[in-house]
Amino acid sequence: SQQGEEDPQALSIQEGENATMNCSYKTSINNLQWYRQNSGRGLVHLILIRSNEREKHSGRLRVTLDTSKKSSSLLITASRAADTASYFCAPGHSSGGGADGLTFGKGTHLIIQP
Amino acid sequence: DSGVTQTPKHLITATGQRVTLRCSPRSGDLSVYWYQQSLDQGLQFLIHYYNGEERAKGNILERFSAQQFPDLHSELNLSSLELGDSALYFCASSPTGGRTGELFFGEGSRLTVL
Repeated sequence: SQQGEEDPQALSIQEGENATMNCSYKTSINNLQWYRQNSGRGLVHLILIRSNEREKHSGRLRVTLDTSKKSSSLLITASRAADTASYFCAPGHSSGGGADGLTFGKGTHLIIQP
Repeated sequence: DSGVTQTPKHLITATGQRVTLRCSPRSGDLSVYWYQQSLDQGLQFLIHYYNGEERAKGNILERFSAQQFPDLHSELNLSSLELGDSALYFCASSPTGGRTGELFFGEGSRLTVL
């Protein structure tokens, strides 16, 4: 499969805690993206990390990438109720011509409890 | 606001009917992707158009078809509808035709087949 697989499927934490979710993929990539989806809404791009990068930050988000393990993690620090959403990773694969759309797994459903 | 517009937002119809979903990409984006999201299947890539031409097909049923017009808007036609076609249909656009770039998603069209 060319899609990323997010883990855990669901995560519930208290507001203010950090949330970590993981993504695994199977083939070589050019980059990997993370998206957020609020319930019933469109996906929103959060961050893109290139295959030659190991870590990237954007506000309260920290993404790591380990190409040797074919895995990535998304850390959300100091979580807020508004972070409640589903999070998807999307590996940008380097093979296959590139015409296919990004493929998505089933996501991690994050619930931030007040 | 992603700049991608989808209409209608909600649609309720009966089995056997045909519907057309419309997508206007972000200004200047040449690529349009269609996705279907249902509870059991997750987010499935359907089809990709680039500058009016079909570039890639994913899990699109033969009852479904799409096209991209010279003004770059796209339509997804769903015919002989079945109960299982009830889902959220997303359109996403991108300035490039490759699979590794950021996608900008619309808010989706929620189709209910009764």
